[in-house]
Amino acid sequence: DTAVSQTPKYLVTQMGNDKSIKCEQNLGHDTMYWYKQDSKKFLKIMFSYNNKELIINETVPNRFSPKSPDKAHLNLHINSLELGDSAVYFCASSQGQVGKLFFGSGTQLSVL
Amino acid sequence: KQEVTQIPAALSVPEGENLVLNCSFTDSAIYNLQWFRQDPGKGLTSLLLIQSSQREQTSGRLNASLDKSSGRSTLYIAASQPGDSATYLCAVVDSNYQLIWGAGTKLIIKP
Repeated sequence: DTAVSQTPKYLVTQMGNDKSIKCEQNLGHDTMYWYKQDSKKFLKIMFSYNNKELIINETVPNRFSPKSPDKAHLNLHINSLELGDSAVYFCASSQGQVGKLFFGSGTQLSVL
Repeated sequence: KQEVTQIPAALSVPEGENLVLNCSFTDSAIYNLQWFRQDPGKGLTSLLLIQSSQREQTSGRLNASLDKSSGRSTLYIAASQPGDSATYLCAVVDSNYQLIWGAGTKLIIKP
């Protein structure tokens, strides 16, 4: 059983489209994250939710909107996709904000 | 502002050697430090987590140490194998509960 699963694994789309990435964890964790990894492999935190409440909201365009319907899910919706949004997006979870981090396998987004 | 640095950026060693990866951080006020590995095209796998009150953690051939006062951590890999080839990242949880990442060390183990 996959601990942190995100879908889709690959996403190819045109500029201007709206897309969503879904994330689910079955670890019983209370904290979930979205990270962006660019072409230089730098990991950058985008959002963090603890018990469905937004606790970290880094400087990210407001075209990106996270939604946490419950503690086990954190989805990422992106409006009006731009070329610069192309990257690998990772979902992660932990128990508390200082717990061990578990990552999903990533979603490779390509905006054409 | 907390900064995490990993040197070298890349390392290539023959199979069977013991090796050390380095991680340094600028602010000793951390909750913990974690080491991860990332295989190409894959997500990150947590290897070891060291709490701020601990000096080291061990898992199999891996041993991670933490010296908060000097702002350093090392990841020791014993008897390296080609399967250890990956990018290794360290990250600290700072006093604001933010996870601050190093840029990683790309490790290649030559058969």
